[in-house]
Amino acid sequence: GAGVSQSPSNKVTEKGKDVELRCDPISGHTALYWYRQRLGQGLEFLIYFQGNSAPDKSGLPSDRFSAERTGESVSTLTIQRTQQEDSAVYLCASSLVRGDYGYTFGSGTRLTVV
Amino acid sequence: DQQVKQNSPSLSVQEGRISILNCDYTNSMFDYFLWYKKYPAEGPTFLISISSIKDKNEDGRFTVFLNKSAKHLSLHIVPSQPGDSAVYFCAAINRGGGADGLTFGKGTHLIIQP
Repeated sequence: GAGVSQSPSNKVTEKGKDVELRCDPISGHTALYWYRQRLGQGLEFLIYFQGNSAPDKSGLPSDRFSAERTGESVSTLTIQRTQQEDSAVYLCASSLVRGDYGYTFGSGTRLTVV
Repeated sequence: DQQVKQNSPSLSVQEGRISILNCDYTNSMFDYFLWYKKYPAEGPTFLISISSIKDKNEDGRFTVFLNKSAKHLSLHIVPSQPGDSAVYFCAAINRGGGADGLTFGKGTHLIIQP
């Protein structure tokens, strides 16, 4: 597609359940990022994928968070045993190559844990 | 510990005048800086960037100034237009250190008054 597509756009889940968020980057973009924005905060880096290289997971806040990406295609971010503090907008971004920080962001998934 | 700070949560400017958005950072290893703009319910969009080897970068109505000694950057928008009303995020990265993720400020909500 023309832009970065994220689904679902909204997700309400009960505390303790697992959730899976999906990101479809721009075709041909080798770099893919996940960020989250909690209420009143700036964006927080979570994880970075570059082609088939090992991802940079340095921003993941706990081992309940994991992400996968196959090649240069779709990525999924999984949060296990969700907590209320996980409530945030989760944003995916892609760029053509590593080092191009003028990312294209998707519209995000608003996750609410109740 | 907030490494990128935008101390004004909001700013109101009259249409046609200059808008000046400010950003301070504490990490002297940051060597690349960006501004993103965000409308409600959309992902951020890249506006303009500057490398630490420069002190100014201009793109149309948008100019970013960097003062390394003061660890301060600013975004100037001249003239301000109604469509500029949005939240503006300052972001920084230590490219030379091999960092992959941007560090964002909390944002400034710019309101352009007719």
